[in-house]
Amino acid sequence: KNEVEQSPQNLTAQEGEFITINCSYSVGISALHWLQQHPGGGIVSLFMLSSGKKKHGRLIATINIQEKHSSLHITASHPRDSAVYICAADLNRDDKIIFGKGTRLHILP
Amino acid sequence: DVKVTQSSRYLVKRTGEKVFLECVQDMDHENMFWYRQDPGLGLRLIYFSYDVKMKEKGDIPEGYSVSREKKERFSLILESASTNQTSMYLCASSSLSGGYQPQHFGDGTRLSIL
Repeated sequence: KNEVEQSPQNLTAQEGEFITINCSYSVGISALHWLQQHPGGGIVSLFMLSSGKKKHGRLIATINIQEKHSSLHITASHPRDSAVYICAADLNRDDKIIFGKGTRLHILP
Repeated sequence: DVKVTQSSRYLVKRTGEKVFLECVQDMDHENMFWYRQDPGLGLRLIYFSYDVKMKEKGDIPEGYSVSREKKERFSLILESASTNQTSMYLCASSSLSGGYQPQHFGDGTRLSIL
């Protein structure tokens, strides 16, 4: 079983819909990252969370440490949000990160 | 803004060749990482370095080596390239200072081994 699980693997939605991507982890972490990978490969760090909730524009990330679960939400989704979203768990050791396999999001105009 | 630059976006090499992938960061970061990304497997850590001339094996180091002679540059070396090393390779860097810091990624190198 992977230590970081994301769901769904693929998601297609209409422009304007509220999007939720989930991430569950089974290891002790110091922080959890949400990354966005655009077509062509470039990866951008969206959030780093150790507790609670963070918001940046239309993006919201939450984490529940007790339940070992994090969610990434996109409000008023837009076709430019189409990308792969990756959850990554920063372990309590060695500066290592375990990555989820990513969620491929496609927003239709 | 942090910039992590990978020397090539696309690279095609032949089986058995020695391949060098170069990564340079401009923010004086202590940590640098090499990952490969394959469909269905996500990002997997090959090697990382937390200081000049220091290196640590990641999860899949077999068939690879690395070099960190200068703080800003971290090279990934495929000693004798094989077709199963065809992949997207991503370099990242992060700072040690101020607690936990996010990793900053380069744009990736899509490597094909023929």
